[in-house]
Amino acid sequence: DVKVTQSSRYLVKRTGEKVFLECVQDMDHENMFWYRQDPGLGLRLIYFSYDVKMKEKGDIPEGYSVSREKKERFSLILESASTNQTSMYLCASSLKGTSTDTQYFGPGTRLTVL
Amino acid sequence: AQKITQTQPGMFVQEKEAVTLDCTYDTSDPSYGLFWYKQPSSGEMIFLIYQGSYDQQNATEGRYSLNFQKARKSANLVISASQLGDSAMYFCAMREGGVTGGGNKLTFGTGTQLKVEL
Repeated sequence: DVKVTQSSRYLVKRTGEKVFLECVQDMDHENMFWYRQDPGLGLRLIYFSYDVKMKEKGDIPEGYSVSREKKERFSLILESASTNQTSMYLCASSLKGTSTDTQYFGPGTRLTVL
Repeated sequence: AQKITQTQPGMFVQEKEAVTLDCTYDTSDPSYGLFWYKQPSSGEMIFLIYQGSYDQQNATEGRYSLNFQKARKSANLVISASQLGDSAMYFCAMREGGVTGGGNKLTFGTGTQLKVEL
């Protein structure tokens, strides 16, 4: 079974803090993704990566950066957290070259910025 | 324009009944894929079913089936014999373009909250 883990289920941070959200997958997937989920808006893609050290912006990259130094790990960084970044963050991974390119998700991190 | 539209914010169904969750999509790409995910209150997104744009038959996975009507650009999820454990948020998503093997993005709808009642 695909296993995608995220470093925290719940996180509370203060405005202006630097925040790191970590995601690890154990199935040797090339592709990894970061989404945020807000009520009424569904999931929106922040950044994705299709290889080590490669990254591409998604639909809402402003205020975020990412790092992928190892294949299994994809980090989302909030350089200076703001209250409008309070949200549920979901990480996903997928295997390159499959017939469906199905993404598998981690349990999510609910981030509150005070 | 919305690429994925789910018009039912919430739905109720009686246990053991069938239920259809609506999803319409918008793309000009002839090659695409459609996905349904389930999100229980625990928060994890669970993959349910996939339909490719060139697939001739509607996808089925156990009690889940996808009613794919290409001309209408709809990909409704049908859950047969609903169970209490089916209560969750359901998301429809689309991948535009074929599977190139390079970080294909998904676009999600806003979701439908399904509640199964006794």
